[in-house]
Amino acid sequence: GEDVEQSLFLSVREGDSSVINCTYTDSSSTYLYWYKQEPGAGLQLLTYIFSNMDMKQDQRLTVLLNKKDKHLSLRIADTQTGDSAIYFCAEKPGGSYIPTFGRGTSLIVHP
Amino acid sequence: DVKVTQSSRYLVKRTGEKVFLECVQDMDHENMFWYRQDPGLGLRLIYFSYDVKMKEKGDIPEGYSVSREKKERFSLILESASTNQTSMYLCASSSPDREKLFFGSGTQLSVL
Repeated sequence: GEDVEQSLFLSVREGDSSVINCTYTDSSSTYLYWYKQEPGAGLQLLTYIFSNMDMKQDQRLTVLLNKKDKHLSLRIADTQTGDSAIYFCAEKPGGSYIPTFGRGTSLIVHP
Repeated sequence: DVKVTQSSRYLVKRTGEKVFLECVQDMDHENMFWYRQDPGLGLRLIYFSYDVKMKEKGDIPEGYSVSREKKERFSLILESASTNQTSMYLCASSSPDREKLFFGSGTQLSVL
């Protein structure tokens, strides 16, 4: 079945760039997402990209998609302590109701 | 902004109790979802509903049921709570184009 893989932890220094990686297996994925979960809260949609794009930039966030390798990444420039959260990668085929989520990457930002 | 509201932030229940988790969305969305979140396991889909009175099992429906009598409300029911149902429960609804999911803040349920 479909699978989305991401590493569980990432630790960075404040001011550095963070890169969170994700791989997926479903070749019919149309939408690829990054959600953010702050402590004690639900998930919030951070950004998403269509499978016919290879890059999307939104202020400090850059999403890169390598469709051939089924690899998605999220780069956060100038990482701040407020960026500390769990980041979930997800994918969804176009006709489907339901995204498949990865297990989440805990980003820890230290001074 | 879309608002998905879960009625309780924290709940403590005893083994064997019947438990209701309520979720309300205010954007007239047709699709609603219940997930549970456990450390290291990520999000697992319990049930979803694509219309009033319509429901589909997700990946882990055992021990749970759902109710969708009105479009805005989707309830998760634990018929007889067990300790292995201690978890964070997240409700979500999706936009009409099915592109985005909007989540509630979650209910942390402890079953003792």
